Amino acid sequence: QQQVKQSPQSLIVQKGGIPIINCAYENTAFDYFPWYQQFPGKGPALLIAIRPDVSEKKEGRFTISFNKSAKQFSLHIMDSQPGDSATYFCAASNRSSASKIIFGSGTRLSIRP
Amino acid sequence: ETGVTQTPRHLVMGMTNKKSLKCEQHLGHNAMYWYKQSAKKPLELMFVYNFKEQTENNSVPSRFSPECPNSSHLFLHLHTLQPEDSALYLCASSQVGSAFSGNTIYFGEGSWLTVV
Repeated sequence: QQQVKQSPQSLIVQKGGIPIINCAYENTAFDYFPWYQQFPGKGPALLIAIRPDVSEKKEGRFTISFNKSAKQFSLHIMDSQPGDSATYFCAASNRSSASKIIFGSGTRLSIRP
Repeated sequence: ETGVTQTPRHLVMGMTNKKSLKCEQHLGHNAMYWYKQSAKKPLELMFVYNFKEQTENNSVPSRFSPECPNSSHLFLHLHTLQPEDSALYLCASSQVGSAFSGNTIYFGEGSWLTVV
């Protein structure tokens, strides 16, 4: 029940396309859903996050869509660029449960020029 | 610059060596973490410290020994490691209990460990 399932494992998209990465969770106590972006040789960095009281959040070309009833959320990258090539991790946590954050297994995204 | 600094960035050690990884956070956070990242398990939580107290040990072998002398510093002491322990070790911190932080975790750039 603590898992966060992420798909696909890898994704190749042409420049300008819209890659979509999906995550699903079981624990309804989760109330914070961040996405992290990791470039080779670097640690993961927070990209964008959403709380379950909204269904969508946009920051620049990055959008999170959240479906509370289905317990699913997804990351969309509009007008994708080769510089977006990285590994993306979704995560879920509960603000009241101390420091536990559950990460998905990661998606390796490659944007072709 | 994430506010979490890890040293060394690269470490090669023999199986009989003893070495330590160091982490320092400049964000004023009250929780610190060690994660292991490898091809098999992308982000594997090892240890969690809350207010310098260890609150989680995720079934990590005793050849990994954490130390948290204060809320800004975290060490991972390594001894008699195995080649399969070769991985990227990530330190992270967060502010637990804040209504606004949502448990956002800030990672360092990691220490690449190779055990030969």
